[in-house]
Amino acid sequence: NAGVTQTPKFQVLKTGQSMTLQCAQDMNHEYMSWYRQDPGMGLRLIHYSVGAGITDQGEVPNGYNVSRSTTEDFPLRLLSAAPSQTSVYFCASSRQGGGGELFFGEGSRLTVL
Amino acid sequence: TQLLEQSPQFLSIQEGENLTVYCNSSSVFSSLQWYRQEPGEGPVLLVTVVTGGEVKKLKRLTFQFGDARKDSSLHITAAQTGDTGLYLCAGAQGTYKYIFGTGTRLKVLA
Repeated sequence: NAGVTQTPKFQVLKTGQSMTLQCAQDMNHEYMSWYRQDPGMGLRLIHYSVGAGITDQGEVPNGYNVSRSTTEDFPLRLLSAAPSQTSVYFCASSRQGGGGELFFGEGSRLTVL
Repeated sequence: TQLLEQSPQFLSIQEGENLTVYCNSSSVFSSLQWYRQEPGEGPVLLVTVVTGGEVKKLKRLTFQFGDARKDSSLHITAAQTGDTGLYLCAGAQGTYKYIFGTGTRLKVLA
């Protein structure tokens, strides 16, 4: 009963490095999304996807890239890491968007030095 | 720009007390959800409210959606230590965007 799986759980990067946060779900959900969580700011939407081949920007998309080649996977790419991207990242999926229950992964804690 | 403001930001109470958390916005949402998050885990859905004025009860938790669908409240009766956590409201904007509130960190002391 995996649900939403995120890897890695922890990562330390140097400024300018690139990396990919992986997200996979086994519930056949069409909707997937990435959030970042910072103290006092709740969760902010980075990018989302409503199905394979379809992605769109959220509130804070700059510095991040996504693609959705399969229903199961929705990786988040940091192109050139900056200290401002130090955060906890959550991937979430839903059977439907707009009001459907979001199922979250356990999070990936990223530190950029 | 944060569209959903929650208050209070922090709340520390004794077991058995009642409390109310507020989620306010100037925007209208088609539905509103409340989640609870434990340390080191992702948020977990508590409830979804859809109709303006709707009230839902889950055991000791009462959720209300404002008549204008711009605000919501969560009331906990006789809080228990197991209620400790971060409470997040989330509004659905359009078909696919969820906007989360700033969060209320609740600590219930034994």
